[in-house]
Amino acid sequence: QVQLQQWGAGLLKPSETLSLTCAVYGGSLSGYYWSWIRQPPGKGLEWIGEINHSGSTNYNPSLKSRVTISLDTSNNQLSLKVSSVTAADTAEYYCARRDYGSGRLVYYYMDVWGKGTTVTVSS
Amino acid sequence: SSELAQDPAVSVALGQTVRITCQGDSLRNYYASWYQQKPGQAPILVIYGKNNRPSEIPDRFSGSSSGNTASLTITGAEAEDEADYYCYSRDSSDNHYVFGTGTKVTVL
Repeated sequence: QVQLQQWGAGLLKPSETLSLTCAVYGGSLSGYYWSWIRQPPGKGLEWIGEINHSGSTNYNPSLKSRVTISLDTSNNQLSLKVSSVTAADTAEYYCARRDYGSGRLVYYYMDVWGKGTTVTVSS
Repeated sequence: SSELAQDPAVSVALGQTVRITCQGDSLRNYYASWYQQKPGQAPILVIYGKNNRPSEIPDRFSGSSSGNTASLTITGAEAEDEADYYCYSRDSSDNHYVFGTGTKVTVL
């Protein structure tokens, strides 16, 4: 059974770079996209971006200029970096495995999630 | 950019049926997937595709889609179903993805 374990710095100052890592256990990076999602306190889920095993990325247009998602295939890990953080980047951050299927319509879904990492930006 | 709109909150009596909807233009081209999130926990997948459930999800959860609207139905709601529910799909015009605004389900 695939499990995702995530970690990273939990307290940042404005203008610093957020850095999180998500390790994949019990499965391979191949064949899937790997996503990052965040949730500000008391608010809804926001898709940040994703990467596949070949390194192809897709990003939320509203965050694209500050976000980098990368892979470390030798360690079965993915990483998220968000530069120039502000208080608005305070959130719970999740990594997740994203798969897809098709019927009459194509569909996308995230079936394995990490437990989340709390990131607070404060001076 | 696409948006997925959900009602902020719905309530259902114990044992009754509740339907949660998700509206957006992209849903004419893609099925939504649905996630349940309880306080302090990560989301979990409950429905994907036309009407597929992970093996651990009870069969009282079902999904459907028509036009620009996706629906999640809980038939015979139980107290443990009280949670926030989010839809998710791909944007039609670009290579990115979006979550719905979320619906808080209260079981009375």
